[in-house]
Formats: sequence, C-alpha cells, structure tokens
Amino acid sequence: AQSVAQPEDQVNVAEGNPLTVKCTYSVSGNPYLFWYVQYPNRGLQFLLKYITGDNLVKGSYGFEAEFNKSQTSFHLKKPSALVSDSALYFCAVREEGNNRLAFGKGNQVVVIP
Amino acid sequence: DTAVSQTPKYLVTQMGNDKSIKCEQNLGHDTMYWYKQDSKKFLKIMFSYNNKELIINETVPNRFSPKSPDKAHLNLHINSLELGDSAVYFCASSQDPINSPLHFGNGTRLTVT
Repeated sequence: AQSVAQPEDQVNVAEGNPLTVKCTYSVSGNPYLFWYVQYPNRGLQFLLKYITGDNLVKGSYGFEAEFNKSQTSFHLKKPSALVSDSALYFCAVREEGNNRLAFGKGNQVVVIP
Repeated sequence: DTAVSQTPKYLVTQMGNDKSIKCEQNLGHDTMYWYKQDSKKFLKIMFSYNNKELIINETVPNRFSPKSPDKAHLNLHINSLELGDSAVYFCASSQDPINSPLHFGNGTRLTVT
C-alpha cells in the first residue's frame, strides 16, 4: 500500500534562510510524487511533481524538490525563504497502477521576519 | 476567472438535514474529485469521476452521494447530516487521473450543529 510520511509538524525558519520540508514515501512500484501548498481558507495549490527523468525538479515560487530513490525521499527546498511562504505544505504520492493519491499529514511552515 | 469553483463557501445546518455542495470546473479536465479535510488538516479522498464515470468510491457512509451531470460538474449531496460530518470539503479536477496535478477549489466549510 502506498503512503507518505511528513515527520515534522511545524518547520520554523528565519526569512532569507534555506527552507526544507521533509517527505518520505512507501510504494510498491514506481512513485509519482507531488508537493502542494495550502494558504489559510484556500484550496491546495500545486507546486511541483516528479514522474520520471531528472531527480531535481523545479516548481513554482522558487521551490524545488529532489527525488532520492534509495532513501525513498522527496524533500521540498527553497534557497531563501520569504514570509509569504508561511503556509501548510503537503507531500503526496501515487504508485504506478493506482489511481488514488495518498497525502501526507501536512507540515506547517512558519517563516519568521 | 475561477478554475474550480464550489458553492456555498460556508454551510451551517442542523443534524438530520439534507444539503448539497456544487462544484464546477472550467479547465476542460476529464477527472473530478471530492476530498474531505478534517480539523487536523488530514485530507481524505471520497469520490472521483473520470468522464462522468465513477472511478473512486472510498469507504464513506452511503449518506454521501456524488452526482456528475457532465464533465465540468460534480456535486455532493449529503443526507441526514451528523455532527461528525463537520469539515471542509474540497472539490478538485485534473486532466487525467494518473499523472496530472490536481486543481482545487477553495473549499466548503460545513458545520453541523
């Protein structure tokens, strides 16, 4: 069965510092991996995805993520965090052949001015 | 132009009532979804339609019934509302049910008293 783990509840980072949000996954076959962001009282917004190809994926708003098959991880990164990056971030996975998307529990990111 | 729009935004009702939430997407997508987000922000898939055909029907009470009159619309009807139904319900759409990212509406906050 497919699953996603986001081990931290909250990530605090100072504005201008690098931001990392961790995600590990478990699937039976090849993974399709996604990151989404949710601002208060809004729906989730797509940031980036990994289907195949380069392990480093670049997405919206300066975010990127690195697919690491040996560590079954897909951590989200941003070189320099902005206060406006404060939001809830969700990692999601779909294993090949499965039409269901499994979401992690979400990580609250707080960027401190 | 709102890509995925759902109405109403807020819904407050008493136990035992029947209510509907409507969703429309203008993206030309083939697949639509209903998700439930609880108070802890966990996201759970409820239903998915692809080209008007039900492809995901998770274990939800049969008081919940989706209806897709056409590819651009997916409505959710809930009978005999219970306190535990209080949550935020999100509609979403995607180009296909496998590789494409989801586009979410801004949610309907249902409060059952």
